[in-house]
Amino acid sequence: GENVEQHPSTLSVQEGDSAVIKCTYSDSASNYFPWYKQELGKGPQLIIDIRSNVGEKKDQRIAVTLNKTAKHFSLHITETQPEDSAVYFCAATSSGGYQKVTFGTGTKLQVIP
Amino acid sequence: EPEVTQTPSHQVTQMGQEVILRCVPISNHLYFYWYRQILGQKVEFLVSFYNNEISEKSEIFDDQFSVERPDGSNFTLKIRSTKLEDSAMYFCASSATEPNQPQHFGDGTRLSIL
Repeated sequence: GENVEQHPSTLSVQEGDSAVIKCTYSDSASNYFPWYKQELGKGPQLIIDIRSNVGEKKDQRIAVTLNKTAKHFSLHITETQPEDSAVYFCAATSSGGYQKVTFGTGTKLQVIP
Repeated sequence: EPEVTQTPSHQVTQMGQEVILRCVPISNHLYFYWYRQILGQKVEFLVSFYNNEISEKSEIFDDQFSVERPDGSNFTLKIRSTKLEDSAMYFCASSATEPNQPQHFGDGTRLSIL
């Protein structure tokens, strides 16, 4: 089955700096990669996603890149703000609307004001 | 914005007792899921449900677990005889009809087994 590795496990940045979280996946059949933000006491909230036919996607301060050959994908947050502090999970799933999502191990991001 | 709602937010149960966790998915979604998150760990897939049947389940989802869509709005997870290791956050999710549409998660039920 699919295995998703995520690094780093914790990340502290100064407000205004950029944060990068990196993930690798094992199953070449995976073709959809969502990123979730989880705040304390809440469920995972989708913040951005990317499909395997696209190499990069951007939404305001958040961008994701995908390298299918290397099976790597990354989340980039620019101009970080204290409200970006949360746990971020990368995930992967293969085709089919009912397929399970395999989550990475999570990155706890702390943005220091 | 439509959201997935879960009740209760916290459930405390004695070991060996049955527990039912309830979810109301987003109204026009047809795919439903349960995930589990043990404290401090990653979110793990339990089961997916479509067209009134299980479409996929993980090795965690053994005979003690069952899911049901008893009416047009609710989706439930039942654990028949709870064990200490069932203590976790349980998240319900739903997604729309097309493949690879994002799954939207509820805020979870914290299950504590004593």
